[in-house]
Amino acid sequence: DAGITQSPRHKVTETGTPVTLRCHQTENHRYMYWYRQDPGHGLRLIHYSYGVKDTDKGEVSDGYSVSRSKTEDFLLTLESATSSQTSVYFCAISESQGYGYTFGSGTRLTVV
Amino acid sequence: AQKITQTQPGMFVQEKEAVTLDCTYDTSDPSYGLFWYKQPSSGEMIFLIYQGSYDQQNATEGRYSLNFQKARKSANLVISASQLGDSAMYFCAMRGQNSGYSTLTFGKGTMLLVSP
Repeated sequence: DAGITQSPRHKVTETGTPVTLRCHQTENHRYMYWYRQDPGHGLRLIHYSYGVKDTDKGEVSDGYSVSRSKTEDFLLTLESATSSQTSVYFCAISESQGYGYTFGSGTRLTVV
Repeated sequence: AQKITQTQPGMFVQEKEAVTLDCTYDTSDPSYGLFWYKQPSSGEMIFLIYQGSYDQQNATEGRYSLNFQKARKSANLVISASQLGDSAMYFCAMRGQNSGYSTLTFGKGTMLLVSP
């Protein structure tokens, strides 16, 4: 029944390899977000999208890129993964400005 | 810039007691919204409660209430009659005019442990 799914749920990758995380929604929400969660830091915004092909940077965008070619999909790419990008990544969606988020289940990424 | 501060890394409470989780915020926006999310050990993020800056009354949702003190810029979460299932990480978050109301800024969280 989940309106938002993330894939993969877990991934281990080697330093220097590219990695793409996918967020898929069935709610037709305009806004989509990528956050990372690290102990002692809470959730920090990486990138977000306010429509197809409309994206903007967040607080910790270095080393990450995003794409949104369809309303339902928001991709997060680590062009060359580093150990500092080991984290739990959450995708979230929001119907409109001013609304809260619905979160995906998260992707645990380990860069070795 | 917006900032959320949660000063309690961890809190302990006995079952059936009430507990207050602190949240202070810093913003120059006249209009903003405050949220609380719960993250149990399973990892999902669960929305709990919302307070708008112009709301006259404190928000309540079942056992959750938000003690909103605008002048002090605080938005504390009060959980009444704690249950074992309340053990989780709790995040305070804010959206404001500076970000076009589009994004949430989160605090670092408070880990709540409820003991029998």
